Amino acid sequence: KAGVTQTPRYLIKTRGQQVTLSCSPISGHRSVSWYQQTPGQGLQFLFEYFSETQRNKGNFPGRFSGRQFSNSRSEMNVSTLELGDSALYLCASSESGYYTDTQYFGPGTRLTVL
Amino acid sequence: AQRVTQPEKLLSVFKGAPVELKCNYSYSGSPELFWYVQYSRQRLQLLLRHISRESIKGFTADLNKGETSFHLKKPFAQEEDSAMYYCALTSGSARQLTFGSGTQLTVLP
Repeated sequence: KAGVTQTPRYLIKTRGQQVTLSCSPISGHRSVSWYQQTPGQGLQFLFEYFSETQRNKGNFPGRFSGRQFSNSRSEMNVSTLELGDSALYLCASSESGYYTDTQYFGPGTRLTVL
Repeated sequence: AQRVTQPEKLLSVFKGAPVELKCNYSYSGSPELFWYVQYSRQRLQLLLRHISRESIKGFTADLNKGETSFHLKKPFAQEEDSAMYYCALTSGSARQLTFGSGTQLTVLP
């Protein structure tokens, strides 16, 4: 099976702009989670979607949002970008999102905010 | 709240030496523990998880509920083991992965 794919792989934006990142999960996986990775804070959970519904949300401001489509593909959006949003954004998919499921990660989207 | 602590940011060992990467967690219930690895320029991938109780690439990890630890061990380190290792936890009440800060392992020739 093809792995988790994320597009684009690199993005450069300026403060105040908004950005949309895309994630295609492994075929058959219905749960998609998003994580932010930074040198200072490490890997932090953003949110999780299952069957087009957000089931879980991390401690991030409302500028961070997401959605999931009927084919399980997911997008995340960050509005009014700040310098601190520069990070690697990782998407992970799992079959059902049950807590013992293995999550499979994509390569990430590197976002740089200038 | 659940928390994972990896006390060593950097760890260097010589090839053939034993290696132990420490992981401690705090969670009052029954968590599920994982070790993820990230090799240079590769994506984060699962190394092993407690529920499977299997040995991957010679690595093992034992869950010690009394000490709330899930240390990763390998008896003879290889140069290809050099990577960033993350310990992570999930639980029934919080399905997302909570990661430790990671340990960069370098295996010297």
